Amino acid sequence: ETGVTQTPRHLVMGMTNKKSLKCEQHLGHNAMYWYKQSAKKPLELMFVYNFKEQTENNSVPSRFSPECPNSSHLFLHLHTLQPEDSALYLCASSNRDWSIYEQYFGPGTRLTVT
Amino acid sequence: DQQVKQNSPSLSVQEGRISILNCDYTNSMFDYFLWYKKYPAEGPTFLISISSIKDKNEDGRFTVFLNKSAKHLSLHIVPSQPGDSAVYFCAASGAIGNEKLTFGTGTRLTIIP
Repeated sequence: ETGVTQTPRHLVMGMTNKKSLKCEQHLGHNAMYWYKQSAKKPLELMFVYNFKEQTENNSVPSRFSPECPNSSHLFLHLHTLQPEDSALYLCASSNRDWSIYEQYFGPGTRLTVT
Repeated sequence: DQQVKQNSPSLSVQEGRISILNCDYTNSMFDYFLWYKKYPAEGPTFLISISSIKDKNEDGRFTVFLNKSAKHLSLHIVPSQPGDSAVYFCAASGAIGNEKLTFGTGTRLTIIP
């Protein structure tokens, strides 16, 4: 497997459920990101991790809880979500040592909250 | 308040002609700009970038132009090919070392054979 992978690709969950999104990067990068893309809106940065440490939390509600156990893996734990949280969730990674701007994205998880 | 704007949600261009995608920004602190391309069911892929110290950057069929005074950048694709049909996102970043990218809403480019 190469690049950035995300599982699951599609997820339907009720408002009382707890689920997790997983991201794995095989590029040797040291920074990882979670983005949210809602319909007709730009990609919104949610969280940034540099060398496993969270360096950015873009005012994200606490029902979204990120976890970065190592530089290759990133999780987004979801609980008691709202229907307006339905969106495409994208993971990305980059290498701070040469170009933090050129972020490499996974295919995304399409989340539907019912 | 959207700091990066792509005012054309869609664009259709004949194969072989030039495609011009536009992007405007409002934050004068932005100093690095990128274009990403996205196919359906895939994540965005990096295409080309430009630093604010330049006004042009070229990579094969793709050229990005930056007009700092107008806070405007454009992506030129020439000649356009059917495989270029995708959604194109403009993104901007602030000070060096700031990994936060601000994205536009995207322009869907369709190349007509």
